[in-house]
Amino acid sequence: EVQLVESGGGLVQPGGSLRLSCAASGFTFSNYGMNWVRQAPGTGLEWVSHITSSSSAIYYADSVKGRFTISRDDAKNSLYLQMNSLRDEDTAVYYCVTPLIDYSVHWGQGTLATVSS
Amino acid sequence: EIVMTQSPATLSVSPGERATLSCRASQSISSNLAWYQQKPGQAPRLLIYGASTRAAGIPARFSGSGSGTEFTLAINSLQSEDFAVYYCQQYYNWPRIFGPGTKVDIK
Repeated sequence: EVQLVESGGGLVQPGGSLRLSCAASGFTFSNYGMNWVRQAPGTGLEWVSHITSSSSAIYYADSVKGRFTISRDDAKNSLYLQMNSLRDEDTAVYYCVTPLIDYSVHWGQGTLATVSS
Repeated sequence: EIVMTQSPATLSVSPGERATLSCRASQSISSNLAWYQQKPGQAPRLLIYGASTRAAGIPARFSGSGSGTEFTLAINSLQSEDFAVYYCQQYYNWPRIFGPGTKVDIK
């Protein structure tokens, strides 16, 4: 069974940093690209970033480009999102999301990052 | 960047009725479209990919159609557990844009 467990969220002041982690299990992590998707309170879904298998290509939403960095550690079956220069509008639940695996897409439970003074 | 729009924003439907949701892309995305369902306090769940293929474990009352720029999600005989927010997402190119969502509520 595919499982994704995010961690690292919390309260941070504007301009601060957070590092989110996602521990993956139940599939061959190194074979798949991975995504971060976020959802601000009471709003819709926003795709944030993607990293391909072997980290050969990386993509970001314009809203986070230059401030966020996605990375992965295949030895640890883990995905990361380093978030710097955080703004109020980055407050959201951040989800770790797989691509299509076994005819479905798998989401973690999410971790809440709150940016506030 | 592709812009995704969904209509209506809210759809009020009685249990047992059929719901039809629309999603439009600002340029052709072929059949590279997914539909997700999200209930309050839960992560989204994939319903449809490839515009018309049901994901694993999704009931047959959910069906997707369309290609190019116009897409439809139909839900036949709405059950109580189907009242939720539905999002479309294109995966034709980067960034992977979601639509703003359609809330299906009880009439």
